Parts: sequence; C-alpha cells; structure tokens
Amino acid sequence: DIVMTQGALPNPVPSGESASITCQSSKSLLHSNGKTYLNWYLQRPGQSPQLLIYWMSTRASGVSDRFSGSGSGTGFTLKISSVEAEDVGMYYCQQFLEYPLTFGAGTKLEIK
Amino acid sequence: EVQLVESGGGLVQPGSSLKVSCVASGFTFSTYVIHWFRQAPENGIEWLAYINTDRTWTHYAETVKGRFTISRDNAKNTVDMQLSSLRSEDTAMYFCARESPGMGFDHWGQGVMVTVSS
Repeated sequence: DIVMTQGALPNPVPSGESASITCQSSKSLLHSNGKTYLNWYLQRPGQSPQLLIYWMSTRASGVSDRFSGSGSGTGFTLKISSVEAEDVGMYYCQQFLEYPLTFGAGTKLEIK
Repeated sequence: EVQLVESGGGLVQPGSSLKVSCVASGFTFSTYVIHWFRQAPENGIEWLAYINTDRTWTHYAETVKGRFTISRDNAKNTVDMQLSSLRSEDTAMYFCARESPGMGFDHWGQGVMVTVSS
C-alpha cells in the first residue's frame, strides 16, 4: 500500500498569514499519462471532507484561489495564502494512483 | 443540487450485521462510480470499497474484504453496503462519496455512525 505522510503546522497560524502543509508518498504518484494523482481535502469540524485540489495542482470547482497545490512525484505542498477563520479544520492528502486508496493522517489548521 | 444521504447506522453487537445506504440526487447517478469510506472517532479517513457504474466491478480494502459487500440500484439511485461480522474496530462514521472520474471525490454524504459494542 502507498503510505502518505503529512507534516504538522505551527499552530495557531495568525489570520492573514500563509500556511503550507506538506505530504509525502512512499511511491511516485506520477502516472505515465503525465498526471500526478494526488488530491487534497479539507474537513471542517463536524463536516464531511471537501475536495480542494486534484491532480496535485488543479483547484476543484468553487475552491478559493487562496489554495494552491504543488510538488513532484513523491513530495507535495498545499499552500493557503492569507488564512481565514473558515479555513480551520483538518487537511488530508490522498493518493489516487492505485488501490487501496490511502490518505495521510491529516494536518490540523488553527487560526489565531 | 448534488446530494448524497446516508442512512442505516446504529448500535450493534460484535458479530452482527448491518446495512448502510446512500441515496443520491441531483445528478445522473448511473454514470458515476460511488465509494464508501469510514472515519473512526478522532481518526483519519479510510477508503473501504467502490462499485462501478453498471455493477460489474467492485473492489474492497483488505480490512473489510469478505465481510462487507457493496451493491447499487441505478433505478433507485442507491448504493448499499452490507456490513457483516462486525468488530469493535469497525466503529466509525461511514461516508459515501461520488468519484469525479480520476479527479477525486467531489461530493460526500454527511455520514452515518456505526457503533459496534456489547
């Protein structure tokens, strides 16, 4: 199984500052078709996960441009520019290259 | 509006069975692959199973293979998952989600709680 490892944030993050969340995969998520099968989700307290980024760097429909994804085959970063109160929650990376699909353990974002 | 609504959770004893259901609306259900996930209290997200659009293919996580069975009825816009031989470690919130082909899970249900305890 592909293991996804997420980094922590230096919480709380001051409102208006940027925050970067890291994720590493135990196997390259770069497919032969050129796409990197790495997704990012936000799960706000008491809610279901919400897709933020797919294919490592493509924002999902309706997602603020304050969210951006980048990376290589095995190392990824979700950047949130100018964090706001509504960004509070758990952020998960997830690989979609092969089954079983696997998620990172999550990174908590708190706002000051 | 796309909606996925789970139902069927509850408190059950170890070794028993339970069916959780996911009813979809607001989109052409028969053209989407549907997945089930779970999240134990204060834990991360675990993928469990998926079923393809015409029910010809299913796939399961090893942790539930042989105990859980996913099925769908495109006429009723429903995906069910039968949970059998339940264990305390199956206690979790169970979510269904729609797969945007190859792009991730763009719509999730609100979840249904399953508690396995004597």
